[in-house]
Amino acid sequence: EDKVVQSPLSLVVHEGDTVTLNCSYEVTNFRSLLWYKQEKKAPTFLFMLTSSGIEKKSGRLSSILDKKELFSILNITATQTGDSAVYLCAVGGGSNYKLTFGKGTLLTVNP
Amino acid sequence: NAGVTQTPKFRILKIGQSMTLQCTQDMNHNYMYWYRQDPGMGLKLIYYSVGAGITDKGEVPNGYNVSRSTTEDFPLRLELAAPSQTSVYFCASSYGGEANFGPGTRLTVT
Repeated sequence: EDKVVQSPLSLVVHEGDTVTLNCSYEVTNFRSLLWYKQEKKAPTFLFMLTSSGIEKKSGRLSSILDKKELFSILNITATQTGDSAVYLCAVGGGSNYKLTFGKGTLLTVNP
Repeated sequence: NAGVTQTPKFRILKIGQSMTLQCTQDMNHNYMYWYRQDPGMGLKLIYYSVGAGITDKGEVPNGYNVSRSTTEDFPLRLELAAPSQTSVYFCASSYGGEANFGPGTRLTVT
């Protein structure tokens, strides 16, 4: 059975801090790893990673994948209160592209 | 493009009632998914589909049924609603990369 484990489950930081969110996975026939941000509505897409060692970056957010160790990290630098959200990791696998999500990390950024 | 649309947005059901949650996408995506999200939890996969006429069970399929007669539509059917099915339901579609989500349906079973 495919498995996605995120840590920590929750995190409280102050504005300006840097955070690292973790995602480890076990999946048959890995195809991609996805990061989403969810703020009391539908998840919104952040990154898709398919190759090891290639960093994806968007503003203060960045992510990298290690396919040998089966994990990914999402970094957020200089956090802002608007970064407060649940961050979800998902892994796509198999010929029918089954997408399995982790439980998410609840990030709270205090002013 | 409207993307992924879901109806209704909210619904209250009595125990034992049936209903269908509608999901339509206009992006010609082959892959479609139904997830449920309980408070404070991640997304649990109910059913998914790789194309018209093909569906597969996810982690939590019991109490639900789906059909995929067209590329665009992927309705989710609850036959005998139970309080344990109170949740927010998200439909999503994908080309095989990132998934696009609908706005969700908040369902309460009392």
